[in-house]
Amino acid sequence: RKEVEQDPGPFNVPEGATVAFNCTYSNSASQSFFWYRQDCRKEPKLLMSVYSSGNEDGRFTAQLNRASQYISLLIRDSKLSDSATYLCVVNRGTDSWGKFQFGAGTQVVVTP
Amino acid sequence: GAVVSQHPSRVICKSGTSVKIECRSLDFQATTMFWYRQFPKQSLMLMATSNEGSKATYEQGVEKDKFLINHASLTLSTLTVTSAHPEDSSFYICSAREHRLALSYEQYFGPGTRLTVT
Repeated sequence: RKEVEQDPGPFNVPEGATVAFNCTYSNSASQSFFWYRQDCRKEPKLLMSVYSSGNEDGRFTAQLNRASQYISLLIRDSKLSDSATYLCVVNRGTDSWGKFQFGAGTQVVVTP
Repeated sequence: GAVVSQHPSRVICKSGTSVKIECRSLDFQATTMFWYRQFPKQSLMLMATSNEGSKATYEQGVEKDKFLINHASLTLSTLTVTSAHPEDSSFYICSAREHRLALSYEQYFGPGTRLTVT
C-alpha cells in the first residue's frame, strides 16, 4: 500500500463549479500535511498547509481527519487557472523530520 | 522571498558521462535541502536529504555512489549523477527548508532539472 494515495482523476470541472477530492495516508504518526499544486513540467508550489481545525484560503478549503487518516481539498468557484495537478504531501513524522511523502497527484481540469 | 534556483534547467548527456546539478537558495539560508526525482505521471520520490556540513542521508534504494551530494554552504547543494544511463533520465527537483524556520515543515522547491541521457 502506498504511503499517500490520491485519486489521479482527471476531475473535469465547469468553470464556477466546486470540486473536492481527498488524499489518504497510512502513517498514523504523520505530523504535517500540505497541498501543493504542480503545473505540467514545473516544480510543485505550496498551495496551503492543512491544520487540524481545518483552514480556508480564499476559494480553497482544506480539512484534516486524523481518525480516518485523510485530508481533503475543496475548490469553490473554479477558475480556468485552477487547472493543475494537486499533490497531497505528508510529513512522515518525528523520526523523519522534514521528510515529505508525496502523493501521485489529482489532476483537475477546469473547462469554460 | 524563499526563492530556490536550479541549474541547469535542462541537460542532455551521453551515457557514461557525469552531470552536476546545482540547487541554490537565493534569499535565505537553508540548513537542509532535499533532492527528489519525478518520472512521468508519477509522484516525486525523495532521493536524499542534504545537510550543510555533513554527509547526505540517502533513501532506501538510492545508490549514494551514483548520486553524489555535496552541501558545501547554507545556500548551495549539488547533485552529481555519475556514469549516467538512459534510465536515469528524469526530472530532478531540489527543495530547501529555511534555516531560521527550523521548526517549520515548509519546503520551497526549485524549478527542476530535466535530465535526458542518450
